[in-house]
Amino acid sequence: GAGVSQTPSNKVTEKGKYVELRCDPISGHTALYWYRQSLGQGPEFLIYFQGTGAADDSGLPNDRFFAVRPEGSVSTLKIQRTERGDSAVYLCASSAHGEEQFFGPGTRLTVL
Amino acid sequence: AQSVSQHNHHVILSEAASLELGCNYSYGGTVNLFWYVQYPGQHLQLLLKYFSGDPLVKGIKGFEAEFIKSKFSFNLRKPSVQWSDTAEYFCAVNAQRSSYKLIFGSGTRLLVRP
Repeated sequence: GAGVSQTPSNKVTEKGKYVELRCDPISGHTALYWYRQSLGQGPEFLIYFQGTGAADDSGLPNDRFFAVRPEGSVSTLKIQRTERGDSAVYLCASSAHGEEQFFGPGTRLTVL
Repeated sequence: AQSVSQHNHHVILSEAASLELGCNYSYGGTVNLFWYVQYPGQHLQLLLKYFSGDPLVKGIKGFEAEFIKSKFSFNLRKPSVQWSDTAEYFCAVNAQRSSYKLIFGSGTRLLVRP
């Protein structure tokens, strides 16, 4: 079956702009996660959805970052007023509740 | 706060050599433990996981890991590596009482020379 998909695969933007990153989880997976991976580091947790609600958003670095999952399937990560330090690969994962997380290919965000 | 340490950042081996990658975590409660692998140009894939039971777990492609609770460790092993094992390996922990978020180590880049 289809895995987790993320669009776009690459996004280049200018400092101060707004970006949206999309994640399509595996069908039927109720849990969805966003992580951020900087060069030379492991993925860093951002936010976790169980269904439509954010069950844990403790990893969001500041209020410029926001994520939604309005129908309990597709999720969008939104970053306002982007900064150069936001450049990273943004990973999405999904799971059946409490089980193994399946990762997507990521979106590489570059802020110039 | 929970953290995961992977002490070897880069490892170079010849084919058929044995592999052991270290992973230590800091959390006093019950944990779930994972090793993920990222092959060049591919996304993260699960190698193996430990939730409970036998502390020696076997994963795909001949990998295994041993959970030693007293040492807060979950080291990854493979008796004989192949060139195709060249990849980056990440250890991750999930604290069972928290959300299902994973805390990752910084990764170990393994290069296997033919």
